[in-house]
Amino acid sequence: DTAVSQTPKYLVTQMGNDKSIKCEQNLGHDTMYWYKQDSKKFLKIMFSYNNKELIINETVPNRFSPKSPDKAHLNLHINSLELGDSAVYFCASSQDQASGRAWGTDTQYFGPGTRLTVL
Amino acid sequence: GDSVTQMEGPVTLSEEAFLTINCTYTATGYPSLFWYVQYPGEGLQLLLKATKADDKGSNKGFEATYRKETTSFHLEKGSVQVSDSAVYFCALSGGSTLGRLYFGRGTQLTVWP
Repeated sequence: DTAVSQTPKYLVTQMGNDKSIKCEQNLGHDTMYWYKQDSKKFLKIMFSYNNKELIINETVPNRFSPKSPDKAHLNLHINSLELGDSAVYFCASSQDQASGRAWGTDTQYFGPGTRLTVL
Repeated sequence: GDSVTQMEGPVTLSEEAFLTINCTYTATGYPSLFWYVQYPGEGLQLLLKATKADDKGSNKGFEATYRKETTSFHLEKGSVQVSDSAVYFCALSGGSTLGRLYFGRGTQLTVWP
């Protein structure tokens, strides 16, 4: 029943490893996002996909690569993990064009987050 | 560019006290404004929103009015409960840059019985 789900909830790994976080939404939305929340709780967008097409790619190291196999899924793969990557990563989705509103203006619904700890 | 400034916390109140968390924004165009809440160990939940000037968003006893003349969207609740303890985020979207939420830095609220 969960609208936006993420796996795993917690991820602890060593520096230099490669890891992935998965996100799925069952709301029928056409836009999905990744946000990063740092240790001071500040939230900033990383990526946005609309109908499987990359729309927003903020200034994020290219070790981070999003992949959207279909409209309901947006995964985040991180290569060569660094200590500074430790954060909570949130997936979100919004309805936008499907609701008739201009893209990027509809309400975003968030997943529960994935707490990544790099040792 | 677009930005949101909200009152720094933490805010500590006794149960049944009145709550105000200030939020002001800078944006071009006609942004939508939001308050999200993050309970301990959980993700962000939409608390309320307003999409145009003078709109009032309300939910669970919380209210905020979109004031274009003062570029503000202050969150208020007349009588807080212990269960309201959480981090509250003001956010905007749809200003000069579509497709992203700009968040304030969050305000930690703790309510004591």
